[in-house]
Amino acid sequence: AQTVTQSQPEMSVQEAETVTLSCTYDTSESDYYLFWYKQPPSRQMILVIRQEAYKQQNATENRFSVNFQKAAKSFSLKISDSQLGDAAMYFCAYRSPNTGNQFYFGTGTSLTVIP
Amino acid sequence: NAGVTQTPKFQVLKTGQSMTLQCAQDMNHNSMYWYRQDPGMGLRLIYYSASEGTTDKGEVPNGYNVSRLNKREFSLRLESAAPSQTSVYFCASFRQGGNQPQHFGDGTRLSIL
Repeated sequence: AQTVTQSQPEMSVQEAETVTLSCTYDTSESDYYLFWYKQPPSRQMILVIRQEAYKQQNATENRFSVNFQKAAKSFSLKISDSQLGDAAMYFCAYRSPNTGNQFYFGTGTSLTVIP
Repeated sequence: NAGVTQTPKFQVLKTGQSMTLQCAQDMNHNSMYWYRQDPGMGLRLIYYSASEGTTDKGEVPNGYNVSRLNKREFSLRLESAAPSQTSVYFCASFRQGGNQPQHFGDGTRLSIL
């Protein structure tokens, strides 16, 4: 099974500031997909951003961007201009087309936004 | 568009009781999944169904059974509930191909006394 590691159980950020959440993964594959999900207190799992391993360009979705370092097997999420609504648990996930349809999740990072 | 629908949203059981968690998706996805979420442990895969008619064990299948009733529905059954199965359960579905993400239901909070 693939391993996805989120080494920061908790993070905090001042409103309007920038925060980076880290994610590393263990794989021998060259082709795979990476995702960040947000889980607010409502418990919904909401897709934030996705990245294809074959793309060198880092994905961006409004205030959310990633720093994808394929050689280092690192996939960090940067949240710019943090808002109170960004407070949530964030999960990193990995999928390889070569290992069927299984997704592998990290243990999550709880983000607090300080007004 | 309802997406992935789970029922019930909350349930309290006594040890030894049985129950079935229901999941249905209306996105015509082939693959469906059941996860449990426990504090500090992220999402752990219980069972999944890559396509209608097939099911496979995930990381933590003991104490659970599943049924892929048709393409839309994938149920999770606890035959004899144990306190260790107290958790939040998520159903998800996936349309195969490329960078498609999983789509999740809203979860079921299950407490076993």
